[in-house]
Amino acid sequence: AQSVTQPDIHITVSEGASLELRCNYSYGATPYLFWYVQSPGQGLQLLLKYFSGDTLVQGIKGFEAEFKRSQSSFNLRKPSVHWSDAAEYFCAVGGPSGTYKYIFGTGTRLKVLA
Amino acid sequence: DAGITQSPRHKVTETGTPVTLRCHQTENHRYMYWYRQDPGHGLRLIHYSYGVKDTDKGEVSDGYSVSRSKTEDFLLTLESATSSQTSVYFCAIRPEHYGYTFGSGTRLTVV
Repeated sequence: AQSVTQPDIHITVSEGASLELRCNYSYGATPYLFWYVQSPGQGLQLLLKYFSGDTLVQGIKGFEAEFKRSQSSFNLRKPSVHWSDAAEYFCAVGGPSGTYKYIFGTGTRLKVLA
Repeated sequence: DAGITQSPRHKVTETGTPVTLRCHQTENHRYMYWYRQDPGHGLRLIHYSYGVKDTDKGEVSDGYSVSRSKTEDFLLTLESATSSQTSVYFCAIRPEHYGYTFGSGTRLTVV
């Protein structure tokens, strides 16, 4: 069965510290992988995506993610967190099927300490 | 923005009443989706559409129906609202870069 696991419900980091948010997936074929960010009361914004090719992908706002097929992971990283990064982050997985249905993880809420 | 709007933004309704949420896009995309977001559950797919009059169920479709009579509009109907349908509802379209673009959401409260 297809699934996405975000093991950390909450993460707190200090401003300027590095960040890594974990995402593990289960998918029968080569997946499409995504990270979205949601600020309070807002919709979801696409941070980055992986379809194929280079396993390290760059996104907006200084984020990057690395696809590791052997570990079924797609972890999100940022070298230096800003207070404005406080939000909820969602990992999603899907595939190149005709319906493009994506499965979302339960989210990780990031708190940034000044 | 991406040309997707949801209406209403907020709604309070009584148990047992029908409710229709609207998703409107201006970009002529073929695929549209309805998700609900609940704490601890992330986003779960309710229904989706792959063309005019072409729709199918997602993982949490019970109690919901959809219609798509025009490319630009995708309607989600709660036939008889229940308290378990209190949620935030998001519509999404799938532009050609393969990631979804989401609307701003509709916060629905069933009392």
